[in-house]
Amino acid sequence: NAGVTQTPKFRILKIGQSMTLQCTQDMNHNYMYWYRQDPGMGLKLIYYSVGAGITDKGEVPNGYNVSRSTTEDFPLRLELAAPSQTSVYFCASTQRGGPELTDTQYFGPGTRLTVL
Amino acid sequence: AQTVTQSQPEMSVQEAETVTLSCTYDTSESDYYLFWYKQPPSRQMILVIRQEAYKQQNATENRFSVNFQKAAKSFSLKISDSQLGDAAMYFCAYRASEAGGTSYGKLTFGQGTILTVHP
Repeated sequence: NAGVTQTPKFRILKIGQSMTLQCTQDMNHNYMYWYRQDPGMGLKLIYYSVGAGITDKGEVPNGYNVSRSTTEDFPLRLELAAPSQTSVYFCASTQRGGPELTDTQYFGPGTRLTVL
Repeated sequence: AQTVTQSQPEMSVQEAETVTLSCTYDTSESDYYLFWYKQPPSRQMILVIRQEAYKQQNATENRFSVNFQKAAKSFSLKISDSQLGDAAMYFCAYRASEAGGTSYGKLTFGQGTILTVHP
């Protein structure tokens, strides 16, 4: 059982470049999240999705975009990379509602992004 | 808005001894969930323990237990019989209750406490 997978593990971007961080979960979870973790800080929510086709902004959405065309995938897009986006990015998923009623978020291993 | 504060940037403990990590939070809601996550050098976020605010009994998971003081809005983590593998960054996190809320499962994290375990 792979859980939540993220690619790439590491990436260096130049200012103004764009890239997509991939996130896939194989647990059929309906809720998915993107967080960023700046050095020495806790995680902050960028975007979240409550199901395929439905996304919404979190605390720090500026400079990012997301899409959710399938239950499994929740990619995060950086259009014009800036040094302020240097961070570690975590994708997470959980199942809300239904018989299990779990509120445990399962995290991916993270992507370390550096913008120079 | 909810806030979570971890006032100890770093803590250390000798192997086999007990250590307590502190966490306070601020919320106007009466029903919510609190979590402790462990983040080892691999950066993976690992759930350690969870507490439902409506439960008075403190949660325990093997060597990990919490002291949940709802009135004081305090949620500390006690690690007993510390092991070298416990060394990590520990995050306290808050999630509002689903009922009638619009939190969409969002977690609010504290700043983290780095725990060092000495052999």
